[in-house]
Amino acid sequence: GQQLNQSPQSMFIQEGEDVSMNCTSSSIFNTWLWYKQDPGEGPVLLIALYKAGELTSNGRLTAQFGITRKDSFLNISASIPSDVGIYFCAGLVSGSARQLTFGSGTQLTVLP
Amino acid sequence: AAGVIQSPRHLIKEKRETATLKCYPIPRHDTVYWYQQGPGQDPQFLISFYEKMQSDKGSIPDRFSAQQFSDYHSELNMSSLELGDSALYFCASSRIGSETQYFGPGTRLLVL
Repeated sequence: GQQLNQSPQSMFIQEGEDVSMNCTSSSIFNTWLWYKQDPGEGPVLLIALYKAGELTSNGRLTAQFGITRKDSFLNISASIPSDVGIYFCAGLVSGSARQLTFGSGTQLTVLP
Repeated sequence: AAGVIQSPRHLIKEKRETATLKCYPIPRHDTVYWYQQGPGQDPQFLISFYEKMQSDKGSIPDRFSAQQFSDYHSELNMSSLELGDSALYFCASSRIGSETQYFGPGTRLLVL
C-alpha cells in the first residue's frame, strides 16, 4: 500500500522562528492535504493542494505540491504559541478510492 | 460554518459489548469516511460511503459495520468489542467533485 514518510517527527522551536516539515512517498498522489490536530480533537484542514508544482499560502502557512507528485512541504513562518500541535500530511489518489493516506505526523512545540 | 458532528464524544464500554457511533456530515456533503486513530498513531481509514452506498473499504474489522442513511448521516456499529478497539474514531465528509475531507471532533472509545 501507499506510505507517506513525514519528517521531522518532532520539533522544538523558539517563538518567532520559521519551521518546515515535509512528506515524501514512493507513490504518486493527486492531492495533498495538510492538517493540524490538537490532543483529543479532530484534524483541522490547513491547506489543500491539487496540482503538481502548486504553491499555496494560508496566512503564515505555505505549502507546496512537489513537481514529481511524490512529495509536499509545509512552512510556518513567525511561529506563535498556538501553533503547538501535531501536523499531518495526507495524500489522496483520485479515482474510486478516496481514502486518505496519512503521514506519521510532526509534533511541534513552540517555546516562549 | 457548519462542521461535521459526531456523537457521542466519549464512550466507555466493556469487552464483548457493542457500540454505535454517529456522524452527521457537513450540509450538502454526500460522502462520509470513517477513520480510527490509536494512541500516538496517524488516522487509519476504515470505510467510506457515497450516496448511501459503500464506496471503499479499508482496514475495518469484520466485527464492525457501517451504513449511510437517506439524510446522509452515517453510523458505525462495533460489536464484540476488544481492548484494542480503544481509540479515537473520526468521521470526515466531502462533497461530490471535491477531494477535500473535513473531519469531525471524534469519538473517544474506551473499552475496559
